[in-house]
Amino acid sequence: EVQLVETGGGLIQPGGSLRLSCAASGFTVSSNYMTWVRQAPGKGLEWVSIFYRLGSAYYADSVRGRFSISRDNSKNTVYLQMNSLRAEDTAVYYCARGPSDDNGNYYYYMDVWGKGTTVAVSS
Amino acid sequence: QSALTQPASVSGSPGQSITISCTGTSSDVGSYNLVSWYQQHPGKAPKLIIYEVNKRPSGLSNRFSGSKSGNTASLTISGLQAEDEADYYCCSYAGSVTFVFGGGTKLTVL
Repeated sequence: EVQLVETGGGLIQPGGSLRLSCAASGFTVSSNYMTWVRQAPGKGLEWVSIFYRLGSAYYADSVRGRFSISRDNSKNTVYLQMNSLRAEDTAVYYCARGPSDDNGNYYYYMDVWGKGTTVAVSS
Repeated sequence: QSALTQPASVSGSPGQSITISCTGTSSDVGSYNLVSWYQQHPGKAPKLIIYEVNKRPSGLSNRFSGSKSGNTASLTISGLQAEDEADYYCCSYAGSVTFVFGGGTKLTVL
């Protein structure tokens, strides 16, 4: 079964750091692109970051310079390192897969989502 | 990276059809046929229902359909059912390997 499981959320003080993990099963993260999407309480979805082909990474303006996405192929896991956290980073963080085909083509939508992990930034 | 514009809420009676609009710019929706739609029930993860403007994932009901004209994409749900009551989000590729979501639309089935 294709599945994503996020862990690592919690309560953190402003200015602190947290690392989220997204463990994949049923497919190989290195063969797809992986994204992080967040949802603040009572708000809509916000795209955060993508780990793309050949290890390139891209970020939303709101997190660029503070967040870093990475991947461990041996653990089939993607990470989101979050530094200099702010109250406005409080959200449920979802990991999602961008699909690819056998020819290595990437498709620009998210077809598999995890259940999310909650990050609360507060003093 | 401004959010796409969606109506905050729409409603319809069982059996009716509703349409949710998603307005972007010439830099995102208008430039790419890469609009996707997601359904989210309370407390649940989003679920893909439309990709590449008008394609449905395997096994998804054909009551869901998508279209695009210029900078505006649309999601139509026909034959409304009680289980369709949820939040709906559009998403577009915005170039330079970035994405932008809409603000979300709450669908109420009366």
